[in-house]
Amino acid sequence: QMQLQESGPTLVKPSETLSLTCIVSGGSINTYYWGWIRQPPGKGLEWIGIIHLSGTTYYNPSLKSRVTISQDMSKNQFSLKLTSVTAADTAVYYCGRRIPVAGGWFDPWGQGTLVTVSS
Amino acid sequence: DIQLTQSPSFLSASVGDRVTITCRASQGINSYLAWYQQKPGKAPRLLIYAASTLQSGVPSRFSGSGSGTEFTLTISSLQPEDFATYYCQQLYSYPLTFGGGTQVEIK
Repeated sequence: QMQLQESGPTLVKPSETLSLTCIVSGGSINTYYWGWIRQPPGKGLEWIGIIHLSGTTYYNPSLKSRVTISQDMSKNQFSLKLTSVTAADTAVYYCGRRIPVAGGWFDPWGQGTLVTVSS
Repeated sequence: DIQLTQSPSFLSASVGDRVTITCRASQGINSYLAWYQQKPGKAPRLLIYAASTLQSGVPSRFSGSGSGTEFTLTISSLQPEDFATYYCQQLYSYPLTFGGGTQVEIK
């Protein structure tokens, strides 16, 4: 059974770069799409972006200038970098797999990691 | 960007009730819609994809319908474990947007 686990610092200072990694077990990332979603405390879900096995990326236009998603096939993981963070970037960050069949869906998801932006 | 509007944003219901949640898209998305359930402190769980296909392991009391711009998630007989927040997501075009969520609480 495939499992995803987010890892990285849980506290980031304003103006710095948020960096998270999603470690995939029970399957290869050399398939489909892999993405990031976030959820500010008490709020709804926001799609951040996605990377295809080819390396092609798609980002939310609202974050595009600050986001980079990359993948490391040799380590079976993919990563998120978000630059110039502010308090508004405080959120639970989830990684997930997108299967683009019959319209597609996200499954499975990681358990999520709360990243707080504060000095 | 395609906007998804869920209604209601909050509903109070009793065990055994039939519950319907609506998701409207700002433009046609064919049947490229998924529904998720989220409980406090947990990641979202896929319930339905392609608007009406039940994910493996999801109870049959959950069903989805619709295409184009209007979609519904129905719970035929609400169970105690169904009290949660539900989100729709369109996968028709990037960015892959979510609805604002519907919180289902116990009456």
